[in-house]
This record gives sequence, structure tokens and C-alpha cells, in this order.
Amino acid sequence: DARVTQTPRHKVTEMGQEVTMRCQPILGHNTVFWYRQTMMQGLELLAYFRNRAPLDDSGMPKDRFSAEMPDATLATLKIQPSEPRDSAVYFCASGEQGFEKLFFGSGTQLSVL
Amino acid sequence: KQEVTQIPAALSVPEGENLVLNCSFTDSAIYNLQWFRQDPGKGLTSLLLIQSSQREQTSGRLNASLDKSSGRSTLYIAASQPGDSATYLCAVDNQAGTALIFGKGTTLSVSS
Repeated sequence: DARVTQTPRHKVTEMGQEVTMRCQPILGHNTVFWYRQTMMQGLELLAYFRNRAPLDDSGMPKDRFSAEMPDATLATLKIQPSEPRDSAVYFCASGEQGFEKLFFGSGTQLSVL
Repeated sequence: KQEVTQIPAALSVPEGENLVLNCSFTDSAIYNLQWFRQDPGKGLTSLLLIQSSQREQTSGRLNASLDKSSGRSTLYIAASQPGDSATYLCAVDNQAGTALIFGKGTTLSVSS
């Protein structure tokens, strides 16, 4: 049963620390999205990649956030330094080019104290 | 800039009732519209996808309709069950393979 895998599921850290979230997209999917979900803002797009190349990262605070795809099986989202306002659930999703459906991971619940 | 709105934000109904969830979007030049379900603490699961050339899609007790000209979509759930309790999100994209823009969702509670 193919699925998007995200690690860690939960992360509690102190303000100023680096946070790295990982995502393993479904094998064969070449488009990967990072979304952030909060009660106030709902789901916001942070960045997305196609064939490992970034297509849009305009939703991401560039001074502290970075997203990469070191290879086709791994996407990473880093926050350095983290701040309390970064507390949210971060979702990764993958799909095929020309896809119809997006498949979401279970998310990383991040709490920055 | 595309904006997606979902009304109501929350809905409580008794088991067996038919219900309608609403979604509106500001830019009618959409490519696809999708309805997702999210259970507490979980990711999103795609329920139905309507392409811009289509008017509706059905899956079991779910029926989604699309009126592009008015910027509206509805998700109809027939004979609701407690297992339908979840948050339902509507999302649109403006081009194939681009990012989805989501509404904030409607949280549905079905009581037995």
C-alpha cells in the first residue's frame, strides 16, 4: 500500500534550535509539496518540487526556512532558527506529473517553545 | 489571487440526515476542484476530483458538484453516519500539476 512517509511525527524544540523534517514521497511520484496547517491560517503552501527542482517556494520565509530534494526518495524542510510562531503541522504531499490526486503524509506536529 | 471559502466552519447533524457542504472560490479559471477529508491528527485523503469540464462526481454516498461560472462547489453527503465525522476541505488549482489552494474546511460531527 503506497503512502507518503513523514518523520518525525512529533517534534518539540526550543526557540532558536534547528528543525529538520523529512518526507519520503510515493515511489514514481515526481511532484512533492510542503504545506503548513494552523488553526488560524488553514493549509498554506510553503514550497513544491517537480523532478527534484523547486518550482515555487514563495510561501516560505526565506530567511529561516529551506526546502530541498537530495534525491527522488527524500524531501527535507529545515527551519533555522526556529521560532514559536513556526508551531504548526507540516504536511508533505506527492503526485505524478499531470496528476489528478494528491497523496498526503500524516504530518509532523511541530511545537517550538 | 485565488481564495477559497468554506461555509459553515462547523456542522452538527443527527445520524441519517442528508447534508450539504459549501465551497466558493474567487477565480473561476480553475483546472481541478477536489474535496478532501481529514480525520483528527491525520493527513488528508482525497474524496472526489472534478475537472473544470465536468459538472459533478459521485462516489458512494458522496456527490460533488461544480459551477465554475459562479465559483461554487457543493459536497452532498447522503444518509450521514457517525463515521463521516471529520473535517472536509475543498481545494482548487489553476493549472495541471500546480499547487492546490485550500479552504479552511468544514468540521462535521454526526451524532448517533
